[in-house]
Amino acid sequence: DVKVTQSSRYLVKRTGEKVFLECVQDMDHENMFWYRQDPGLGLRLIYFSYDVKMKEKGDIPEGYSVSREKKERFSLILESASTNQTSMYLCASGAGAQPQHFGDGTRLSIL
Amino acid sequence: AQSVTQLGSHVSVSEGALVLLRCNYSSSVPPYLFWYVQYPNQGLQLLLKYTSAATLVKGINGFEAEFKKSETSFHLTKPSAHMSDAAEYFCAVSEEEANFGNEKLTFGTGTRLTIIP
Repeated sequence: DVKVTQSSRYLVKRTGEKVFLECVQDMDHENMFWYRQDPGLGLRLIYFSYDVKMKEKGDIPEGYSVSREKKERFSLILESASTNQTSMYLCASGAGAQPQHFGDGTRLSIL
Repeated sequence: AQSVTQLGSHVSVSEGALVLLRCNYSSSVPPYLFWYVQYPNQGLQLLLKYTSAATLVKGINGFEAEFKKSETSFHLTKPSAHMSDAAEYFCAVSEEEANFGNEKLTFGTGTRLTIIP
């Protein structure tokens, strides 16, 4: 069974901090994704990666960056956290025609 | 560009009643369509997926959805609601892309389903 693991379920950080959200998948999937989920807005794609060291901007990349040094790991970075980045962050992985598999999410609060 | 509209951000049904969650899509090419479910404090779980093989798609937990091209709809139904169906449901669409298959999803805003005992 595919497992996508996000390193933290809950995280509290301060404005201006650099924040790292980590995601690891165990199925050798080529594609990995970061979404944020906000009430009434559904899921919005921040960044995705289709190979190691490759990345593509999603719909809302501003204020974020990503890193994919190894196939199984995809990190989301908030360069200088702001209160409007308080949200639920979901990581997903997938390959080819397979549907995306999601982690349990990280609920991030920026104070 | 692809998009998804879910009508009704909140739906309440009685236990044992029909569940109907609405999803309309727009896509410039034949789409792939998905329904995901999210239980409290969890990530999203795939309920079912349409990939043009059959217009009526059966998923897990007794859910099914019918693709209607003429109505650009992919509504989710379940004949008899159970208390355990209480969750948030997301419809999503993707367009096949040469490099990424059908991976890049656009999600609707979600419908929260409440089951009344």
